[in-house]
Amino acid sequence: DAGVTQSPTHLIKTRGQQVTLRCSPKSGHDTVSWYQQALGQEPQFIFQYYEEEERQRGNFPDRFSGHQFPNYSSELNVNALLLGDSALYLCASSRWTENEKLFFGSGTQLSVL
Amino acid sequence: AQSVAQPEDQVNVAEGNPLTVKCTYSVSGNPYLFWYVQYPNRGLQFLLKYITGDNLVKGSYGFEAEFNKSQTSFHLKKPSALVSDSALYFCAVRDRTSGGSYIPTFGRGTSLIVHP
Repeated sequence: DAGVTQSPTHLIKTRGQQVTLRCSPKSGHDTVSWYQQALGQEPQFIFQYYEEEERQRGNFPDRFSGHQFPNYSSELNVNALLLGDSALYLCASSRWTENEKLFFGSGTQLSVL
Repeated sequence: AQSVAQPEDQVNVAEGNPLTVKCTYSVSGNPYLFWYVQYPNRGLQFLLKYITGDNLVKGSYGFEAEFNKSQTSFHLKKPSALVSDSALYFCAVRDRTSGGSYIPTFGRGTSLIVHP
């Protein structure tokens, strides 16, 4: 049983570019949440998807957008990248009806130069 | 609003000794409380949770945590530390009144270093 998988593992972009990160949830999970973790900091909630809709959103600008597909996988898109967007981006999956326990992927390390 | 405080950036302990990683929380209602561990360049791994019931919660890898409502604390403990326990530990809280979606607030993390 595969856990949460994220791709790519590492990514280097330049300012102003756009990036798409991908996440496949753990088998049996239908809810995906995205977090940004800057170096040495705690994870910050970006948004959560269930039934292909954004259900909740943290304090992130509209440059951050997402999508959930019918197979529950999800994408995180960031437009007009800034240096400050450099971070580890974590995907977490859960069951909507049992969502007190999150399973995290290993993350995508994004570097913006 | 909900918040978590982990007052120690780093905890050092000798292998074989007991360890404690501290966490205090603030919520408007009753809390769900969690501990996660993060190894270098990896995502967070769930250790244990407190929902209701017994104040002493047992989790993975021999860890346990004690919920103390009067002190609003949820300290992580282990009777005998291992070098392999060295990692970053995050406490998280969610107010039970948050509704159907689970959005926890994480503490800033405590780096546990276990010396041989």
